[in-house]
Amino acid sequence: DAGVIQSPRHEVTEMGQEVTLRCKPISGHDYLFWYRQTMMRGLELLIYFNNNVPIDDSGMPEDRFSAKMPNASFSTLKIQPSEPRDSAVYFCASSPRTDTDTQYFGPGTRLTVL
Amino acid sequence: AQTVTQSQPEMSVQEAETVTLSCTYDTSESDYYLFWYKQPPSRQMILVIRQEAYKQQNATENRFSVNFQKAAKSFSLKISDSQLGDAAMYFCAYRSAISNFGNEKLTFGTGTRLTIIP
Repeated sequence: DAGVIQSPRHEVTEMGQEVTLRCKPISGHDYLFWYRQTMMRGLELLIYFNNNVPIDDSGMPEDRFSAKMPNASFSTLKIQPSEPRDSAVYFCASSPRTDTDTQYFGPGTRLTVL
Repeated sequence: AQTVTQSQPEMSVQEAETVTLSCTYDTSESDYYLFWYKQPPSRQMILVIRQEAYKQQNATENRFSVNFQKAAKSFSLKISDSQLGDAAMYFCAYRSAISNFGNEKLTFGTGTRLTIIP
């Protein structure tokens, strides 16, 4: 399997612009997770889905962040409008139904908001 | 809420030597999973080893092994015969084993940066 795929790998944008991060989970995995990594806060869960349905979005910082999973093979995390404090590495991870304890991570997207 | 603590921000070890990274956690649950993930400079989060709390036997994966002390809520990672490729950030993580929606997330420690000295 190709593993979890994320795009873009790097994104540089200006404050106020809309940013969309994309994730393709491992085929057959029922769970999809979005994490954010910063120096100040470390790795923190933003939101996760089970069978395309959002289960826990308590980690989403504010209304500027939104996530969707329109089908089993695709998810997006959108920030609108973006702010410099959103600069971070955003990871997507997926987990199979029969082994929900192990999450497999994508390579991450490094977002820089100027 | 569960917390994971890694008290060693940085560690270094001579190549071919053994190093132990510390992790403690706090939980009121009796059944859970613990993980060590490795993050090299490429940023990729790579699963190193996992431990199921109901198993008393310590998990091992080649040169990597854990010392799981449930009563002490301690979960250290031992790397034997350290290699240059082991240089990375290492994160300890906790996940509840209770199958309720909302419990599937991982809670991470702050990480330990491991340097290998040639």
